[in-house]
Amino acid sequence: DVKVTQSSRYLVKRTGEKVFLECVQDMDHENMFWYRQDPGLGLRLIYFSYDVKMKEKGDIPEGYSVSREKKERFSLILESASTNQTSMYLCASSKTGGGEWAEAFFGQGTRLTVV
Amino acid sequence: LAKTTQPISMDSYEGQEVNITCSHNNIATNDYITWYQQFPSQGPRFIIQGYKTKVTNEVASLFIPADRKSSTLSLPRVSLSDTAVYYCLVGDAASKLTFGTGTRLQVTL
Repeated sequence: DVKVTQSSRYLVKRTGEKVFLECVQDMDHENMFWYRQDPGLGLRLIYFSYDVKMKEKGDIPEGYSVSREKKERFSLILESASTNQTSMYLCASSKTGGGEWAEAFFGQGTRLTVV
Repeated sequence: LAKTTQPISMDSYEGQEVNITCSHNNIATNDYITWYQQFPSQGPRFIIQGYKTKVTNEVASLFIPADRKSSTLSLPRVSLSDTAVYYCLVGDAASKLTFGTGTRLQVTL
């Protein structure tokens, strides 16, 4: 089975801290995604990576950056955490091409609280 | 990217067939239609994907008319465990898998 693992299930950080959310997938997928999910707003794409060291902004990249140094790992960085970044963060991965590109596999999510 | 519109919520009784329709009027030639399911406190899970006509798997059926401007996810004989949010996505292999707010399905006895 495909496995997407996020480093923390729950996280509490202080305003202004630099926060790293880690995501690892074990299926050699080319694509990786970071979303945040807030009540009433659905899933919103923060950043997308289609290859190592490649990234594209999603719909809400402000206040975030990403790093993909290895194919299996995609990190989301909150440069200076703020209370409005309190949210559920979801990582996903998928293959490129064929009929499988739209079948993304999600991690269990990280519920981040910024105080 | 084709924008999608789907109902905010739906209610059903256990044992009924549920049909959730998604509108995507500006779907492009290369776009596929994909549906996901999300339970509370979990990440979304892929259900089904199609391009045209009908696709069926062990979980659901997807009906796509000839003009492809809409699609209908059909869940046969729902149970309480089908209570979830269902998302319709439209795009091609270069898309970024953009989710909307989905349809919240509530199944009751």
